[in-house]
Amino acid sequence: TAGITQAPTSQILAAGRSMTLRCTQDMRHNAMYWYRQDLGLGLRLIHYSNTAGTTGKGEVPDGYSVSRANTDDFPLTLASAVPSQTSVYFCASSRLAGGEDTQYFGPGTRLTVL
Amino acid sequence: GQNIDQPTEMTATEGAIVQINCTYQTSGFNGLFWYQQHAGEAPTFLSYNVLDGLEEKGRFSSFLSRSKGYSYLLLKELQMKDSASYLCAALSNDYKLSFGAGTTVTVRA
Repeated sequence: TAGITQAPTSQILAAGRSMTLRCTQDMRHNAMYWYRQDLGLGLRLIHYSNTAGTTGKGEVPDGYSVSRANTDDFPLTLASAVPSQTSVYFCASSRLAGGEDTQYFGPGTRLTVL
Repeated sequence: GQNIDQPTEMTATEGAIVQINCTYQTSGFNGLFWYQQHAGEAPTFLSYNVLDGLEEKGRFSSFLSRSKGYSYLLLKELQMKDSASYLCAALSNDYKLSFGAGTTVTVRA
């Protein structure tokens, strides 16, 4: 079982360009999450999805959008990247929505916006 | 907003015990998680406390006091492989996880 996969592993992106970070899980988990991790700030929730077809905003949603067309995939899109979006992005999933269930994290995508 | 505080760094010797403290202030409270994150890797689940008291799981134990807004993670019989960042995360009333910045533990021989 692969668990959660993310692509790409790393990316350098010019400011103003768009990019989609991919996330796929094979555990049939209902809930999925996107976090960014910055030095000294810890993980911050960008967007989440409690079940396929629904999404919600987290703590830092501006500049990002998500979709959840099916159970397995939860892509994160940056419509017009800015340097402040340079970060490590982690996708996570949990069997149940509501936060009380353990979250399993993907390996992360390191994004640099120049 | 949510406020999660934990020390930035701790150093300990192989075989010793280290206690990582975490204080939290959240909009309501529905539990406290600890995750371990090795450098360059994804966080992995260690423990979840929702009731007051100590939960022991092998060499790792986690304690929670809801009235004090306080938790700690206890690592016993430290091994070199325990060198990592330990993340405290509190679950608020809207069931969102708020993470602390993490405590980097360095285990020395």
